[in-house]
Amino acid sequence: EDQVTQSPEALRLQEGESSSLNCSYTVSGLRGLFWYRQDPGKGPEFLFTLYSAGEEKEKERLKATLTKKESFLHITAPKPEDSATYLCAVQAGANNLFFGTGTRLTVIP
Amino acid sequence: GAVVSQHPSRVICKSGTSVKIECRSLDFQATTMFWYRQFPKQSLMLMATSNEGSKATYEQGVEKDKFLINHASLTLSTLTVTSAHPEDSSFYICSPDRGSEAFFGQGTRLTVV
Repeated sequence: EDQVTQSPEALRLQEGESSSLNCSYTVSGLRGLFWYRQDPGKGPEFLFTLYSAGEEKEKERLKATLTKKESFLHITAPKPEDSATYLCAVQAGANNLFFGTGTRLTVIP
Repeated sequence: GAVVSQHPSRVICKSGTSVKIECRSLDFQATTMFWYRQFPKQSLMLMATSNEGSKATYEQGVEKDKFLINHASLTLSTLTVTSAHPEDSSFYICSPDRGSEAFFGQGTRLTVV
């Protein structure tokens, strides 16, 4: 059975304090691993898709990496506007996504 | 990213009434639309997959007679929550099937009172 586990559940950072969010997955035939940002009451906003172990992608203060068992979302020098819930999802056999429960990030000024 | 328009963004309805949620894919002809829901502090879970011109397929535990899906065209899919009850209160989100890409609507917060 496919499983996606995100940790920590919640994370509070001081502005400028870099950290990483983890997404561990167990899935048969991974086709892609997706990262999204979700603000309260909004739909997920696409950040990255990673397809194979060793792949890395960057966007502003965010960098996503992928291994055969997990993915990390690194946040460098975060700002208060980075506060959101970050979701990880996998795509396996079908085209729909299987999501983790997310990490709620709060960046304190 | 893709443009997906979902309406309404929020709705409050009385128990026993029905609510229709629309999802439009504005820049992509979607033969398939995924419908997810998200309960508080839980992950997005796939509810059903709508297919243009054919019946929708539902995930285990999702009542097809309660959640009516119509995929009228390549750009429009609707989800109707019939005879809504408080336990149907949730956040409903659509996502057109674009293969290896996945973009989402803004979501609909349904509250049944």
